[in-house]
Amino acid sequence: EPEVTQTPSHQVTQMGQEVILRCVPISNHLYFYWYRQILGQKVEFLVSFYNNEISEKSEIFDDQFSVERPDGSNFTLKIRSTKLEDSAMYFCASSERLAVNTGELFFGEGSRLTVL
Amino acid sequence: AQSVTQLDSQVPVFEEAPVELRCNYSSSVSVYLFWYVQYPNQGLQLLLKYLSGSTLVKGINGFEAEFNKSQTSFHLRKPSVHISDTAEYFCAVSPRNSGNTPLVFGKGTRLSVIA
Repeated sequence: EPEVTQTPSHQVTQMGQEVILRCVPISNHLYFYWYRQILGQKVEFLVSFYNNEISEKSEIFDDQFSVERPDGSNFTLKIRSTKLEDSAMYFCASSERLAVNTGELFFGEGSRLTVL
Repeated sequence: AQSVTQLDSQVPVFEEAPVELRCNYSSSVSVYLFWYVQYPNQGLQLLLKYLSGSTLVKGINGFEAEFNKSQTSFHLRKPSVHISDTAEYFCAVSPRNSGNTPLVFGKGTRLSVIA
């Protein structure tokens, strides 16, 4: 069964360092997303991506964050200069175009980021 | 804007007992409603969804949920739980006909099934 894969599963970094989280969405999906969950809090939307550009982003997704689909299979989230409050589980998700309005997203296992 | 409240952060229940996980939402427009489940060390996966029609929807693994518009609720139920149901459960909403507006999730409810 096709699945979304994320790497790394866990990353520990020092405050101020750059971090890149990687995702391989399901191959025939066209919409891609990043969500995050700070421990004990809600799963929060960060950004959605379609046709090689950001289609929507939340207020969390500030200038420190960027996304890229560099090679047609990977979908990356970069945090330029990490802060302590960026510590969270980051989830990548993808969906088929027709599923966009019905919310059926397919999620990866998550990448846990710990900023020290 | 939409918001989702899951009233219980943790629910312990004995094996073969019934369980209800509560979800309330707030929205100024009509919504689609979802429950996602996250088993240990796995990603979130869709458990069930309400789009239209019958307010009682059935999902995988014997779960069902009932949409109650007047109470703005979408509680998840299972009549008899198994150890394998131990997981984190997330309620989510999406406004209807909204293009690419993303899902809004609740905080999640950790269901722990005790043998």
